[in-house]
Amino acid sequence: NAGVTQTPKFQVLKTGQSMTLQCAQDMNHNSMYWYRQDPGMGLRLIYYSASEGTTDKGEVPNGYNVSRLNKREFSLRLESAAPSQTSVYFCASRLGGSSYNEQFFGPGTRLTVL
Amino acid sequence: GQQVMQIPQYQHVQEGEDFTTYCNSSTTLSNIQWYKQRPGGHPVFLIQLVKSGEVKKQKRLTFQFGEAKKNSSLHITATQTTDVGTYFCAGPLSGGYNKLIFGAGTRLAVHP
Repeated sequence: NAGVTQTPKFQVLKTGQSMTLQCAQDMNHNSMYWYRQDPGMGLRLIYYSASEGTTDKGEVPNGYNVSRLNKREFSLRLESAAPSQTSVYFCASRLGGSSYNEQFFGPGTRLTVL
Repeated sequence: GQQVMQIPQYQHVQEGEDFTTYCNSSTTLSNIQWYKQRPGGHPVFLIQLVKSGEVKKQKRLTFQFGEAKKNSSLHITATQTTDVGTYFCAGPLSGGYNKLIFGAGTRLAVHP
């Protein structure tokens, strides 16, 4: 059981470049999430997918798009990277269906936009 | 909008001292979760509190949920260097049970 996996672990982009962050979970969870973490800001929700086939915006969705490819995989795309998107990105999954389920986080992707 | 606030933002203690972090929500929560993130790591679930006034213990860690279900605390007795990290509280986002709102976290440094 790998849990939640993310690729890549590190990435450096130039302003205007695009990239896709990959996330996969093997726990048969229904809900998946993308967060960004900036110093002193905690975890802010970018997008989430309550179940396969659905996605919805979180607190800070501007500049990002997502795809719930199947039940296992949830990707985050930056179409035109900006320095303000320099951050650590975490994917998380949850069994779903209830607020009482814990979230399981991936190891994170550390992204720098120059 | 809904807010979850944590204090202090940062605390450093000598090994063996106690530590407490507080979490305050602007709304009543059905439950509250606590996560720990080690330096360079990812958040890991510690515990969930559901009932008003609930107290749970995990070895040296004591978690409390307030009577009004709007605040919570985490107390660590006799800190050790392994306690270093950032502690986050999180509650369900109003109107969206599939989403959590996280506090900004309390970063704990422990000096040997």
